Amino acid sequence: NAGVMQNPRHLVRRRGQEARLRCSPVKGHSHVYWYRQLPEEGLKFMVYLQKENIIDESGMPKERFSAEFPKEGPSILRIQQVVRGDSAAYFCASSPPGVSYNEQFFGPGTRLTVL
Amino acid sequence: DQQVKQNSPSLSVQEGRISILNCDYTNSMFDYFLWYKKYPAEGPTFLISISSIKDKNEDGRFTVFLNKSAKHLSLHIVPSQPGDSAVYFCAAMTAGSARQLTFGSGTQLTVLP
Repeated sequence: NAGVMQNPRHLVRRRGQEARLRCSPVKGHSHVYWYRQLPEEGLKFMVYLQKENIIDESGMPKERFSAEFPKEGPSILRIQQVVRGDSAAYFCASSPPGVSYNEQFFGPGTRLTVL
Repeated sequence: DQQVKQNSPSLSVQEGRISILNCDYTNSMFDYFLWYKKYPAEGPTFLISISSIKDKNEDGRFTVFLNKSAKHLSLHIVPSQPGDSAVYFCAAMTAGSARQLTFGSGTQLTVLP
């Protein structure tokens, strides 16, 4: 039962380093979403991608953050020059093609700690 | 600007009784609502959803009620079980919003044996 897979589950970086978070959606799902959860808060939308396209990046910080979903391979959320405020849980979700209203299936998350 | 609000950070209920979790929203463009359950160190798990054309949706022990005029929805769990203890998130989406979900801040439900 291959749900959404994320790796690594835990990632520790020092300030100024780069963080790369990977997400493999449910097989057959063509829509991928990234959300961030800060401590004691709900999940906040960051970006919505389809294969090779960014559909909505309205929740992404303007600098240092980027996301991609290549034709082959997992979706990548990249954070350059990390700062302590980037410490959070990052969740990836996916949904099937064709249906506008559908639940999004979430992965277990990557917990990023910036020292 | 919190468009989806869960005003109760925590709720304790006795096993076998009803749990009622509440959610309010401010954006009248929201037309699809979902509830997710989340255990520590795991991702959210979908529970139940409701479209704005309905006022009730039921799935086993879980029922979601939607009051559009009040911009309010609630999740009823009956009977509550200790395994239901988790954080419950209300989420909403809008037609044409490119599918992004807007989440509330969550309610920690504790079901006491």
